[in-house]
Amino acid sequence: GAVVSQHPSWVICKSGTSVKIECRSLDFQATTMFWYRQFPKQSLMLMATSNEGSKATYEQGVEKDKFLINHASLTLSTLTVTSAHPEDSSFYICSARPTGIDGYTFGSGTRLTVV
Amino acid sequence: DAKTTQPTSMDCAEGRAANLPCNHSTISGNEYVYWYRQIHSQGPQYIIHGLKNNETNEMASLIITEDRKSSTLILPHATLRDTAVYYCIVRVSVSGNTGKLIFGQGTTLQVKP
Repeated sequence: GAVVSQHPSWVICKSGTSVKIECRSLDFQATTMFWYRQFPKQSLMLMATSNEGSKATYEQGVEKDKFLINHASLTLSTLTVTSAHPEDSSFYICSARPTGIDGYTFGSGTRLTVV
Repeated sequence: DAKTTQPTSMDCAEGRAANLPCNHSTISGNEYVYWYRQIHSQGPQYIIHGLKNNETNEMASLIITEDRKSSTLILPHATLRDTAVYYCIVRVSVSGNTGKLIFGQGTTLQVKP
């Protein structure tokens, strides 16, 4: 149990277009989800905290107008990279914590390549 | 949350125990030690966590020093599939708390045949 599904697993898009990444909690409800970004050979960097029914909380230095987060239900959070540029190419990962379980569960990640 | 220090990389022979150290000298009394690992191009995986007592599960053992300023993750019989980046994170218990998880640089463990 306690699975977080992330889709797509990889995506290639043209510069200037927008890309949406979905994060679903398959067998539990998550009022809070977290979005991370990871560049090659670097650690995970927290981008924002997604809150069901309210605005996301962004970490310092993360552009909220560029990385749109929507958490419209207890099982789905989406991250939209707007007007993507090559420097947005990265590995994006979401996570959530199932109630009653001590560890956070992570999605399998989305590899975004902007050309 | 308290800062952690881990070696950048370690090697381990297949079948031997892998001992991964973590220093967290500024840990507070209500902060737990969590370990996660990330296999290449995958999302992180929860391994184990503890407060002050040693802990063991099907994946690993966690040894925390009496002063709680450092800990060691032990993989008793490392396999090639244990090659990954291992992250030691210190934070307050997540029970009833959906607070964020901050990752450091971690230790890259290379298990060799």
